[in-house]
Amino acid sequence: GESVGLHLPTLSVQEGDNSIINCAYSNSASDYFIWYKQESGKGPQFIIDIRSNMDKRQGQRVTVLLNKTVKHLSLQIAATQPGDSAVYFCAENTGGFKTIFGAGTRLFVKA
Amino acid sequence: DSGVTQTPKHLITATGQRVTLRCSPRSGDLSVYWYQQSLDQGLQFLIQYYNGEERAKGNILERFSAQQFPDLHSELNLSSLELGDSALYFCASSVVGQGTTEAFFGQGTRLTVV
Repeated sequence: GESVGLHLPTLSVQEGDNSIINCAYSNSASDYFIWYKQESGKGPQFIIDIRSNMDKRQGQRVTVLLNKTVKHLSLQIAATQPGDSAVYFCAENTGGFKTIFGAGTRLFVKA
Repeated sequence: DSGVTQTPKHLITATGQRVTLRCSPRSGDLSVYWYQQSLDQGLQFLIQYYNGEERAKGNILERFSAQQFPDLHSELNLSSLELGDSALYFCASSVVGQGTTEAFFGQGTRLTVV
């Protein structure tokens, strides 16, 4: 069935280090991927997206990498800050109207 | 502030009851999505409307229903509530019908069934 999962449910990093959050997706027909950040008590917030015709996309301090061969997605956060502490979700879409979210990874940033 | 408004923020009700959650999308957004998030769980897609019409359905229970009105606001109706329905319910909106652009989420409605 459809599923988007994450390799690591929790990740703890030192402030200033880089963070890498991984995600595996199962639908090879998925052509659009999004990363969302959810802080405690808030709704998910868009971070960055990537379409299947790209391998890499960079934003401000964040980079998303897409490996279609192994159906793997990753989010890299440079110079992680305490404000980056949150749950991060990857999501996939096959061009239809339904977006499937992964289970989420909780990122802890140690000061 | 995402521009998506959900009411109420908190709701406590008894088993067997029925509740209605309301969502006002961002101005100009035609699509509304409903998601359920149980404690420390991911987001489960329930249903999506585009310009008043149902466009996609996820794992939505038969006890749950939704609609989108001409002014584009949406309501999610939950009936015959069970303890397991306790969760955060999020509404999101986006400009286009297909999920190829980012969706903006509301702050959620926390439903507690006792």
